[in-house]
Amino acid sequence: DIQMTQSPSSLSASVGDRVTITCQASQDISNYLNWYQQKPGKAPKLLIYDASNLETGVPSRFSGSGSGTDFTFTISSLQPEDIATYYCQQYDNLPTFGPGTKVDIK
Amino acid sequence: QVQLQESGPGLVKPSETLSLTCTVSGGSISSYYWSWIRQPAGKGLEWIGRIYTSGSTNYNPSLKSRVTMSVDTSKNQFSLKLSSVTAADTAVYYCARDIYGDYGYFDLWGRGTLVTVSS
Repeated sequence: DIQMTQSPSSLSASVGDRVTITCQASQDISNYLNWYQQKPGKAPKLLIYDASNLETGVPSRFSGSGSGTDFTFTISSLQPEDIATYYCQQYDNLPTFGPGTKVDIK
Repeated sequence: QVQLQESGPGLVKPSETLSLTCTVSGGSISSYYWSWIRQPAGKGLEWIGRIYTSGSTNYNPSLKSRVTMSVDTSKNQFSLKLSSVTAADTAVYYCARDIYGDYGYFDLWGRGTLVTVSS
């Protein structure tokens, strides 16, 4: 199984701050990496696919980068509605998710 | 637009079989892969398995011995059965459209349904 780790597990930031989350795979997964946002009590929502492609309708303040084993997810200017848990997910093999990063407002 | 809705019992007894159905509305179920994903309270996401509209399946190896998925294209539905459940199977269960092949992401999700395993 391909294991996914994320850091940090949680963070607090101010509105307008740049927020960065990292995701690491236990082996090379090329760019087979997606990012999801999950708000409390809601289903996850796809934000980024194939490491860096923005899903249609997702604000441009969200971005992703990386390949191989190391990936980064960035919110360029944190907004109050971005309060959520963010998950990475690999699909090089059968899908597995990272443990999540909880983002809230300082 | 395409919407997914999970349905099934919210309470299942230990050792029994959990059965859920996902109904796809606003579009055809055909020519797509469909997955089940679960999330225990306060925890992360676990992929259970996927089914194509032909009936071919892939399952999470950790659950494979207990999982059966099926599809009914005439009803635009697909289903999950998980046998011999224990308290560890208590979770919110989501159905999702699985863009599998050249990609591997879940682009549409149901709202989720809580299944509690308890006597």
